[in-house]
Amino acid sequence: GNSVTQMEGPVTLSEEAFLTINCTYTATGYPSLFWYVQYPGEGLQLLLKATKADDKGSNKGFEATYRKETTSFHLEKGSVQVSDSAVYFCALSRIQGAQKLVFGQGTRLTINP
Amino acid sequence: NAGVTQTPKFQVLKTGQSMTLQCAQDMNHNSMYWYRQDPGMGLRLIYYSASEGTTDKGEVPNGYNVSRLNKREFSLRLESAAPSQTSVYFCASSTFEALVGPDTQYFGPGTRLTVL
Repeated sequence: GNSVTQMEGPVTLSEEAFLTINCTYTATGYPSLFWYVQYPGEGLQLLLKATKADDKGSNKGFEATYRKETTSFHLEKGSVQVSDSAVYFCALSRIQGAQKLVFGQGTRLTINP
Repeated sequence: NAGVTQTPKFQVLKTGQSMTLQCAQDMNHNSMYWYRQDPGMGLRLIYYSASEGTTDKGEVPNGYNVSRLNKREFSLRLESAAPSQTSVYFCASSTFEALVGPDTQYFGPGTRLTVL
């Protein structure tokens, strides 16, 4: 079946550190891939997406590249800020009548000043 | 433009009680979704409605029912609440069209439900 696996959290970094959050997926066909972010007390917001192999999604300094050969979609940022503290979810999209998202378990990120 | 709104924000129920979670969107989206979020498990799809007048089961539908009241509103009902349904519930909507492909899902702020 379809599934998403993210690196275990929580992740704690200092401000201006380099961030990588690993995400791998299992899917039939060619899914679209997403990163969503959840700030404390809020719902999820789309951070970035990629719809086909080798696409790079980017937003707010975050990037992720759709790697079909390694079935991965790792999230990276060159210099994190305290305001990036949140829970990050990797997800894939299945199209079955509607767009159904399959989420990873989430990675909690804390950035210390 | 409020986006996706959910009521209530918090609710405590006793085992066996019933309740309805309300969701509304003002973005003229066709599709709406209900998810539950549990620690360490990400979000799991309970039910979805691809378009007004249709509803379908997701990954974890047992113990729930839904109603797509009109294009704006999609409610989730717990007929007889159980402690295993303690969770945070999120409603989402999107303007998915098959010929266009995947689109962004917009999420509400969530309802935190505790069943004692």
